Order: sequence, then structure tokens, then C-alpha cells
Amino acid sequence: AQKVTQAQTEISVVEKEDVTLDCVYETRDTTYYLFWYKQPPSGELVFLIRRNSFDEQNEISGRYSWNFQKSTSSFNFTITASQVVDSAVYFCALKHAGNMLTFGGGTRLMVKP
Amino acid sequence: DARVTQTPRHKVTEMGQEVTMRCQPILGHNTVFWYRQTMMQGLELLAYFRNRAPLDDSGMPKDRFSAEMPDATLATLKIQPSEPRDSAVYFCASGLSRDPRQETQYFGPGTRLLVL
Repeated sequence: AQKVTQAQTEISVVEKEDVTLDCVYETRDTTYYLFWYKQPPSGELVFLIRRNSFDEQNEISGRYSWNFQKSTSSFNFTITASQVVDSAVYFCALKHAGNMLTFGGGTRLMVKP
Repeated sequence: DARVTQTPRHKVTEMGQEVTMRCQPILGHNTVFWYRQTMMQGLELLAYFRNRAPLDDSGMPKDRFSAEMPDATLATLKIQPSEPRDSAVYFCASGLSRDPRQETQYFGPGTRLLVL
């Protein structure tokens, strides 16, 4: 069975702090894809990144960076120098052979000024 | 800037009424997904279409829910009759499936449904 766990249900930081959102997944597939989505207060789900299971290179995009560790089945997301606009619920998701996305429960990030 | 569109954005209805939600996938995308989001269950897949054919609707209560794609630019999700427990945000997502596992799903803004 596939499962995605986001153990942090809520995180609160002060602007300019760095913050890491954890994601741990379970799958028996050898090929799979991992995603992060952002859900701001307006409610839409915004795609942030896709990573495949055979590419463990970390990725950086501006203030966002992702750390994929296959050995620990983790795909963590770090926001550097957080801003108020980063306040949202962030979802990690796994896509496997069945082509369906399995979502984690989400982490609510609150960035205070 | 291509986006998935959904209508209506908000719907309040009474128990027993029919509800129809519509989705326009991104032009050129050939897969469409319907998800439901609730506080208790999080994001759940309801149905999945590829090239307008339903591939998986195992997540959908069959007795009252139905999903169709009358054409490539329109997907519909109907609930008849609606019940208070159907209150949720319903998301449509679309993707371009060359390699299904690699495909990224792009989500619409959602329809917030409240059944009284």
C-alpha cells in the first residue's frame, strides 16, 4: 500500500526564518514520482515540484529547496527566509504505478510578520 | 497562462437536490481527475479519465455520484440526491499523459459545496 505521512500538522515561524516541511512515504514500487503542492488561503492547489524515484539530486528554486533521500523514504521541503506570502497548507504526494496521487495530510505553515 | 477552470466556485443546496459541478481541463490535456477535500479525510480521488474514458472511479459512491466527459473540454461530476455529508471542496485536475507516472496534475480552484 502507498502512504504519505506529513507528521507536522502545523508550523509557525517568524518572517525570515528558514523552515523545513517533512514528508515520508511508503511504496513497494521501484519507480514512482513525488510531488509538492501549495494550497494558499484562497484554496487552489498549486503545483510546486515533481521528482522521480531515480533522480536523487536535490533541487533549488529561489527560496525553495527539496531534499530527496531514498534511503530514508523522505522528500523534505525547505523554505529559506520565509515570507508572509508563504503561509499556506503544503501537501506532499506520491504517484505510483496506479497513476493516482496519494496525498499526505498536509502541513499548515503560518509565517508571522 | 493555461488553467483548469471549475464552475460554480461555491454552491449551497438543500439535501436531496441534484448538484452538477463542471470542469474545463487545460487545452490539450488528456487526463482528468476529480478529488474531494474534507477536513476529516483530506484529499481523496473520486474518478479518473484518460482520453475521455473513465479509468477508475472506485473512490466514488456509485449510488449517488456520477462523472462524465461529454467532450474533451468538459468534465462533469453530479451528485443526486445530495446529502449533508457530501459537503466538501471538489477539485478537478488535468494532465497530459505521455508517461502516466511522470504526468503532473494541475488543479482547478475547486467548487466549495455545502449541503444543508
